[in-house]
Amino acid sequence: QSALTQPASVSGSLGQSITISCTGTSSDVGSYNLVSWYQQHPGKAPKLMIYEVSKRPSGVSNRFSGSKSGNTASLTISGLQTEDEADYYCCSYSGSNTAVLFGGGTKLTVL
Amino acid sequence: QLQLQESGPGLVKPSETLSLTCTVSIDSISSGSYYWGWIRQPPGKGLEWIASIYYSGSTYFNPSLKSRVTISINTSKNQFSLNLSSVTAADTAVYYCARAGTIAAPRYWGQGTLVTVSS
Repeated sequence: QSALTQPASVSGSLGQSITISCTGTSSDVGSYNLVSWYQQHPGKAPKLMIYEVSKRPSGVSNRFSGSKSGNTASLTISGLQTEDEADYYCCSYSGSNTAVLFGGGTKLTVL
Repeated sequence: QLQLQESGPGLVKPSETLSLTCTVSIDSISSGSYYWGWIRQPPGKGLEWIASIYYSGSTYFNPSLKSRVTISINTSKNQFSLNLSSVTAADTAVYYCARAGTIAAPRYWGQGTLVTVSS
């Protein structure tokens, strides 16, 4: 099974908004509302930012939002801040093998 | 706040079995309907899900690793474990243990432990 597809890098200026896409298939992203997003700073464990497509865990800023259309999920970060600079990974349940898939990761640079 | 801590050898020889344990603190591993899982990250690369075990004992595996992986829970020690057999250099990675409410959304993670496969 292939990993979910994410852009390798995105960038945005302070205060602006960016969107990271995550493309899967009808066997994973397209069929289940079980998409999550993680933020990872260098040398740190990943942090859950979004789960079940658009839900935010307590303590996560409302500047982070998630959505899904067809086989593609998206993470939007509004009002970019310097501390948002990190790697971001999407994750989805896959029904084809009762498995979990991660995207390849997207490096966010805040200009 | 739930805490998870990975432990195990930092160096494993090729063809041998990698064994890791995750110790759960503050909360009981058998309380609640949670998935306990392992995720790894090779140096400089992305995340890869290895396997998960539900509190009831049901297990789920990455198809590409399934033939080499076992995962188990020890409720008396509040731990769960990973065994990965026949390791090669490609298995060198930081290994994380985690707890998830739904299988594809691990929320609480350990700090990770680097395991290097080398002779």
